[in-house]
Amino acid sequence: SQQGEEDPQALSIQEGENATMNCSYKTSINNLQWYRQNSGRGLVHLILIRSNEREKHSGRLRVTLDTSKKSSSLLITASRAADTASYFCATDLYGANSKLTFGKGITLSVRP
Amino acid sequence: DTGVSQNPRHKITKRGQNVTFRCDPISEHNRLYWYRQTLGQGPEFLTYFQNEAQLEKSRLLSDRFSAERPKGSFSTLEIQRTEQGDSAMYLCASSDSGGAADTQYFGPGTRLTVL
Repeated sequence: SQQGEEDPQALSIQEGENATMNCSYKTSINNLQWYRQNSGRGLVHLILIRSNEREKHSGRLRVTLDTSKKSSSLLITASRAADTASYFCATDLYGANSKLTFGKGITLSVRP
Repeated sequence: DTGVSQNPRHKITKRGQNVTFRCDPISEHNRLYWYRQTLGQGPEFLTYFQNEAQLEKSRLLSDRFSAERPKGSFSTLEIQRTEQGDSAMYLCASSDSGGAADTQYFGPGTRLTVL
């Protein structure tokens, strides 16, 4: 079974708009990470947020974490066509040897 | 290129054959992970090494699967008597327990097709 559940499953926006993706999880975590995957390729690490953090920024990315609600959101501002990809949240569960548990992913399409 | 590398990138095999994949982690990363990803799903954890010690194996890893990391550097994942259900992308990741310990860096994956 998968720990993380992303929402929505698919998102289509116009270039320049913001994209917001959500992730919910079930058990206590050490941290939560977001990855991007272009079609048929490996995963690229985007950002990590620890359980004691509430918000982090990296370039056009903003991640929030609400441990009371067991949820996270990833915001991509001023989207570009090159942001078209699948996005996964992955949780590093407490006491789990740092193995990651992934959701099914969100397919983001950015229209030029 | 100092990232995680995997070979081969693609493997097509007939059912019943054995296959072996190789992963070269980022230099000096002491943790190495194998994941499997099927179409439309997120990666699922298979096994984990700290240096040469295999510390955890998923229930997904049947006895037809074996992984090694003999000198704590590269790792191999072997699948014996392949089945069509083994068709998937096999991903390797590495991390450094001494640095940004929690960030796993993934390789490009090996796509296995079992005919």
